[in-house]
Amino acid sequence: QPLLQESGPERVAPSETLSLRCTVTGGSVTSSNHYWAWIRQPPGKRLEWLGSIEYTGATFYNPSLKSRLILSIDTSENDFSLQLTSVTAADTAMYLCARVRAVAGTEIDQWGQGTLVTVSS
Amino acid sequence: QVAVTQSPSASASLGASVKLTCTLSSDHTSYAIAWHQVQAGKGPRYLMKVYSDGSLKRADETPDRFSGSSSGAERYLIISGLQSEDEAEYYCQTWGVGIHGVFGEGTQVTVL
Repeated sequence: QPLLQESGPERVAPSETLSLRCTVTGGSVTSSNHYWAWIRQPPGKRLEWLGSIEYTGATFYNPSLKSRLILSIDTSENDFSLQLTSVTAADTAMYLCARVRAVAGTEIDQWGQGTLVTVSS
Repeated sequence: QVAVTQSPSASASLGASVKLTCTLSSDHTSYAIAWHQVQAGKGPRYLMKVYSDGSLKRADETPDRFSGSSSGAERYLIISGLQSEDEAEYYCQTWGVGIHGVFGEGTQVTVL
């Protein structure tokens, strides 16, 4: 099973852009059987799917975040990234990257450990 | 839009069994779901997928004491022989067209 590891700043100022990267080891982001996703969990709240990307660059976004979210994938570096613009305190959360099956169902079958991002000046 | 609901908490004694329920919205009772475990201070862990016919696809690392079943709109996670490390939050996940993650509120399992 591949390992997924998030990286990025722990603190982002309000109105700025939150940028995170997920590095995949022991597997390839060019797998046609999987999507690569971002999920977050604000303190005390449920998990929230943000969006997914496949190796072709095709993206799927949570409609509630679509206007602020950009996902990208780098097959040469075997990683994928998230940019969330115009952040507010409501974007403070544990951010997780994950692998999603793309064949016979769309369950998440591998998770990163997560990184806590605080929006604060 | 598909939705799933879970009870907020469940508890059982060490060595006993506990059954968690994930309920699908009324128009989506044929959907499969996945169960994930979140232990305190750790990232989530995929446990299994439960189909509407009750069949399972268990992750390789999921212990045999974790099983699942299905009835109508409800999907279950059963933990037998409860161990202290099973104390965690458990989330069910389903999906729709172009939507890859629809999560329940999570069920906190306490081992007494």
